[in-house]
Amino acid sequence: GAVVSQHPSWVICKSGTSVKIECRSLDFQATTMFWYRQFPKQSLMLMATSNEGSKATYEQGVEKDKFLINHASLTLSTLTVTSAHPEDSSFYICSARTGSGYTFGSGTRLTVV
Amino acid sequence: AQSVSQHNHHVILSEAASLELGCNYSYGGTVNLFWYVQYPGQHLQLLLKYFSGDPLVKGIKGFEAEFIKSKFSFNLRKPSVQWSDTAEYFCAVSGGYGGSQGNLIFGKGTKLSVKP
Repeated sequence: GAVVSQHPSWVICKSGTSVKIECRSLDFQATTMFWYRQFPKQSLMLMATSNEGSKATYEQGVEKDKFLINHASLTLSTLTVTSAHPEDSSFYICSARTGSGYTFGSGTRLTVV
Repeated sequence: AQSVSQHNHHVILSEAASLELGCNYSYGGTVNLFWYVQYPGQHLQLLLKYFSGDPLVKGIKGFEAEFIKSKFSFNLRKPSVQWSDTAEYFCAVSGGYGGSQGNLIFGKGTKLSVKP
């Protein structure tokens, strides 16, 4: 089945630094990738939708300059959290659209200290 | 606004008990409905989905869900739970035809704890 590999699974970084999260589609071409954020005891909230070769579409309230998304190839999408702050600590999950639905990465737990 | 509501935050059951997790949605137009499960430390996995046709959908591991259009509901059921069903369950909806249109909108999730 369609598999998305997400790395790293967890990361701790200092305030002010940037963190890059990668999602790779292993056995299919992901023309569309969705990036979600999940706070404790809350739902997954869509942050942005990225289409290969074009600019990402951000949801209302998501800072595009802070959460940089690159989808330069059909198998790789990246989310970079720039100048991270403690309030950016969260669980980030990518998802790719497949022929029959969606598949998810394993998520990245980001802790900013 | 589009939304998904899961009624229970945390459900605790004993093994062999029956399970029903509620899910209601608010979405204009054609919907595709999903239930995902997230076992501790693992990624989201699809349990079952509804695109069209028979409103009673059977998924993996003995789970099923029934789409009741008049009630905007898609409740998840299992007749007899096992300890291994301990996980978090998410209901989600997307719009359009064919199951792959647009993004998924998730409910807040229901944590299921099954006591051995």
